Amino acid sequence: DAGVIQSPRHEVTEMGQEVTLRCKPISGHDYLFWYRQTMMRGLELLIYFNNNVPIDDSGMPEDRFSAKMPNASFSTLKIQPSEPRDSAVYFCASSLSASPLHFGNGTRLTVT
Amino acid sequence: AQSVTQLGSHVSVSEGALVLLRCNYSSSVPPYLFWYVQYPNQGLQLLLKYTTGATLVKGINGFEAEFKKSETSFHLTKPSAHMSDAAEYFCAVSGSGANSKLTFGKGITLSVRP
Repeated sequence: DAGVIQSPRHEVTEMGQEVTLRCKPISGHDYLFWYRQTMMRGLELLIYFNNNVPIDDSGMPEDRFSAKMPNASFSTLKIQPSEPRDSAVYFCASSLSASPLHFGNGTRLTVT
Repeated sequence: AQSVTQLGSHVSVSEGALVLLRCNYSSSVPPYLFWYVQYPNQGLQLLLKYTTGATLVKGINGFEAEFKKSETSFHLTKPSAHMSDAAEYFCAVSGSGANSKLTFGKGITLSVRP
């Protein structure tokens, strides 16, 4: 089992550019979560999916953020346009029903 | 609604000393409780979990936690700290049931002195 795979590991971009973060969940898991981690706010849940359907996106900070899950093995988190305050580590996690979350190693985003 | 409080942001102990990391929760439904550990530049890894049944839960790496409903607490302990325990520790709560949406605390950084 390769675990949750996120790409890229690091992303540096300029303000105003579009950023796409990618996630491959563990095969067979039916829940997928996107979290953001910052020093100031800790871990924040942005959005989560169940069976590829978005269930709760109340944590998505603004319309600049969007997430998709076109199939059970792939999800994206897009920020357009990016701003310096979006700089953070973004984690993807997956789980099987009520089982604990399995996290990826995260994408460290820096927006200059 | 659920919330987790982890008082303080940093704990320092000597190698071999007791580790105690505090966690208090608030939940309107019977909670599921978790401790996760995060090593530098890595994602979170599950240390242990409480769902139902025995209130003293044992996890990996010698850690354990006790669910105390009357105190709404789920403190993490380890009898003897090891240098490799230095990391950030997160307490988390979710409602019972199929929805495994977690709410995390702010995290506590554990340092271990030689």
